[in-house]
Amino acid sequence: AQTVTQSQPEMSVQEAETVTLSCTYDTSESNYYLFWYKQPPSRQMILVIRQEAYKQQNATENRFSVNFQKAAKSFSLKISDSQLGDTAMYFCAFEQGAQKLVFGQGTRLTINP
Amino acid sequence: NAGVTQTPKFRVLKTGQSMTLLCAQDMNHEYMYWYRQDPGMGLRLIHYSVGEGTTAKGEVPDGYNVSRLKKQNFLLGLESAAPSQTSVYFCASSSGISYGYTFGSGTRLTVV
Repeated sequence: AQTVTQSQPEMSVQEAETVTLSCTYDTSESNYYLFWYKQPPSRQMILVIRQEAYKQQNATENRFSVNFQKAAKSFSLKISDSQLGDTAMYFCAFEQGAQKLVFGQGTRLTINP
Repeated sequence: NAGVTQTPKFRVLKTGQSMTLLCAQDMNHEYMYWYRQDPGMGLRLIHYSVGEGTTAKGEVPDGYNVSRLKKQNFLLGLESAAPSQTSVYFCASSSGISYGYTFGSGTRLTVV
């Protein structure tokens, strides 16, 4: 079975610090897509960043970047210069095939002033 | 441009009651999904649809039924609600997995 594991249930950092959220997955496929979603207290799910497995270059979106290690099946999210508005649940998601995503358990990130 | 709209946003049911959650998207997406979110368990797929008139089971389909009679709508039904179905339900749609999902704002359902 294809699974996604987020090993950090909660994290807390000071504003302006850099924080890295971990995600590992398991698959036998060679080409697939990976995503990070953010869920602020409003409950809305927001796409943060996406990565195509066949691309070697790590995806970047402003202060958000990923460290994609295909051989290790690792897909971590780095948030630079963290802001109070980054406080949220973060979910890693992996393409399960047949146009479906499987999600990790989530990491609750708190940015402290 | 509304995106994905879920109704209702909140609902309290008594055990044994039935209800239908409605999901509507205006982006002409082929694929639609229903997930439930529970603490510590992330989002789990209940049912999904790859096009109008099609439905398929996900990871946790028991106790739920779905229908997609129109491309823009995806309905999730609970025939006889149980306390174990207390959860936050999310609908999502997609034009293709490479783009990820667009989510609705969720429905908080409590079964007492």
